[in-house]
Amino acid sequence: DQQVKQNSPSLSVQEGRISILNCDYTNSMFDYFLWYKKYPAEGPTFLISISSIKDKNEDGRFTVFLNKSAKHLSLHIVPSQPGDSAVYFCAATDTGANSKLTFGKGITLSVRP
Amino acid sequence: DTGVSQDPRHKITKRGQNVTFRCDPISEHNRLYWYRQTLGQGPEFLTYFQNEAQLEKSRLLSDRFSAERPKGSFSTLEIQRTEQGDSAMYLCASSSPPHRASDTEAFFGQGTRLTVV
Repeated sequence: DQQVKQNSPSLSVQEGRISILNCDYTNSMFDYFLWYKKYPAEGPTFLISISSIKDKNEDGRFTVFLNKSAKHLSLHIVPSQPGDSAVYFCAATDTGANSKLTFGKGITLSVRP
Repeated sequence: DTGVSQDPRHKITKRGQNVTFRCDPISEHNRLYWYRQTLGQGPEFLTYFQNEAQLEKSRLLSDRFSAERPKGSFSTLEIQRTEQGDSAMYLCASSSPPHRASDTEAFFGQGTRLTVV
């Protein structure tokens, strides 16, 4: 049972344009959501997070939006840069438990120069 | 470098052999997690330590897998009688106790890539 779903396996955007990466979840106990970026042969690197009490969190070029009623979140990257090309994982956790992360399958983002 | 460190980075072993991986978390982090990632999938939770206590194990962790965290510092993950299906990237992560929800970020090591031939 996939509790965190990233339904699009890949996304290609032009440099300078906006990248929108989507994520859906099913577990109502999740109250904290994170995005990780991963390059080949490396571990995931934390990018940005959002608590369930918020609907938006912004950090530089990265903004995460949370729609609790739809159990949907999205990561916006603007403007996109070639160095953003990587696999992006959406993850969710129940902070009342042991904060273990449940990941989606990831989206491969390619930013074309 | 004060990040999470994993050793070895790569391990090739014959089926049936035992392997052991090591993880050194960020020093002030008392929470340590092991995850496994296979091709085309996101990392999957294996087990969790708070200090030296192993508080949760996933059903993915069969009897051939064992993890320890003596003295609440580094951790080891051992796989006995390896099978080809054990081939994966094994990731270790650590975090501090969440005083606030925003403290929940887990920091990952670079992983150990296991290939069972």
